[in-house]
Amino acid sequence: KQEVTQIPAALSVPEGENLVLNCSFTDSAIYNLQWFRQDPGKGLTSLLLIQSSQREQTSGRLNASLDKSSGRSTLYIAASQPGDSATYLCAVCHTNAGKSTFGDGTTLTVKP
Amino acid sequence: KAGVTQTPRYLIKTRGQQVTLSCSPISGHRSVSWYQQTPGQGLQFLFEYFSETQRNKGNFPGRFSGRQFSNSRSEMNVSTLELGDSALYLCASSLEGNYEQYFGPGTRLTVT
Repeated sequence: KQEVTQIPAALSVPEGENLVLNCSFTDSAIYNLQWFRQDPGKGLTSLLLIQSSQREQTSGRLNASLDKSSGRSTLYIAASQPGDSATYLCAVCHTNAGKSTFGDGTTLTVKP
Repeated sequence: KAGVTQTPRYLIKTRGQQVTLSCSPISGHRSVSWYQQTPGQGLQFLFEYFSETQRNKGNFPGRFSGRQFSNSRSEMNVSTLELGDSALYLCASSLEGNYEQYFGPGTRLTVT
């Protein structure tokens, strides 16, 4: 059974800092890994998708890496802004279907 | 292109009643997945439909059921509601092959 863990559970940083969020998974036979952002009471916004054959993906100030052999992914946020404050979720899809296992998320607060 | 839509956005029901939630996927997406999100359990996979067939199912009791129509729209039904069914119900759609999941805004169900 796939288990996904995200560390830390919460993180508070001053504006402008670079930061790293971690995601680990127990079964390395994954199809893809996706990072999401969720604002309070809202749905999930897709940030980055990494297919199992890829090592990293970049979008603006965000960079996500994937190391299947060690069961790890990181989300790097450069030059953080108060608008980045949200919960970040990592989801692992381990079959070629729309079924993902989610971590519990990291709640990020960026202070002005 | 329109995103994933879910109706209704909010629902209040009484224990023992049943409820039906609706999800319209992004045009061209044939995979529709449903998730339950609660503060205690996080995001948990309910089921996935593809081409009108349930392809994957999570560990939820038989009170939770769903279906998909020929236009890929999906409904989920919960019968004999319990207080513990209070949650945010999220629907996601994805394209076959890539399975990048796009989420709707969710339906907030409160059972009293």
